Amino acid sequence: QQQVKQSPQSLIVQKGGISIINCAYENTAFDYFPWYQQFPGKGPALLIAIRPDVSEKKEGRFTISFNKSAKQFSLHIMDSQPGDSATYFCAASMTGGFKTIFGAGTRLFVKA
Amino acid sequence: DVKVTQSSRYLVKRTGEKVFLECVQDMDHENMFWYRQDPGLGLRLIYFSYDVKMKEKGDIPEGYSVSREKKERFSLILESASTNQTSMYLCASSWLGGQGPGEQYFGPGTRLTVT
Repeated sequence: QQQVKQSPQSLIVQKGGISIINCAYENTAFDYFPWYQQFPGKGPALLIAIRPDVSEKKEGRFTISFNKSAKQFSLHIMDSQPGDSATYFCAASMTGGFKTIFGAGTRLFVKA
Repeated sequence: DVKVTQSSRYLVKRTGEKVFLECVQDMDHENMFWYRQDPGLGLRLIYFSYDVKMKEKGDIPEGYSVSREKKERFSLILESASTNQTSMYLCASSWLGGQGPGEQYFGPGTRLTVT
């Protein structure tokens, strides 16, 4: 019930293409869904986040789509660039809780 | 610029040694976390602390302990290092309230090798 399942494990996309990473959760008490981006040799950094009262959030080329009834959310990277090559983690947390539950991560490689 | 720093980027220890990993944050955050990161397994929570001298077990606390004597500092201790504790260790901090736990700030990580 505390898991967040993330897919795919790895992804190769051509420069200019759309990268899509999917996540699913079970615990309906989660009310905050962040995505983290991690470059090699660095710690993860918060990229974008969404609350379940909206179905989509866009920041530049990064968009989160959220489907509350299906308990799924996804990250879309439009016009993917080689500089986007990194590991992406989806996550979930709840107000008043202490912990964030992370997905297993997706290694994205954008080919030039 | 907010910062979480970790005492070492790379560490090599022998089996059975006691290992200390230290983390310092300068954001006055209440929460601090220790994770280990292994390929294909994501980020697994070892311990977290929501206040000075307070600690809670995470998902994989066996073989580890922690210490938080000051608000800005959170230490991870491997009492007797074993080869299966070879991993990347990440420290993070966050605010306590609201969406705080979901917005974590991470250090650069310590890659520990136990031989």
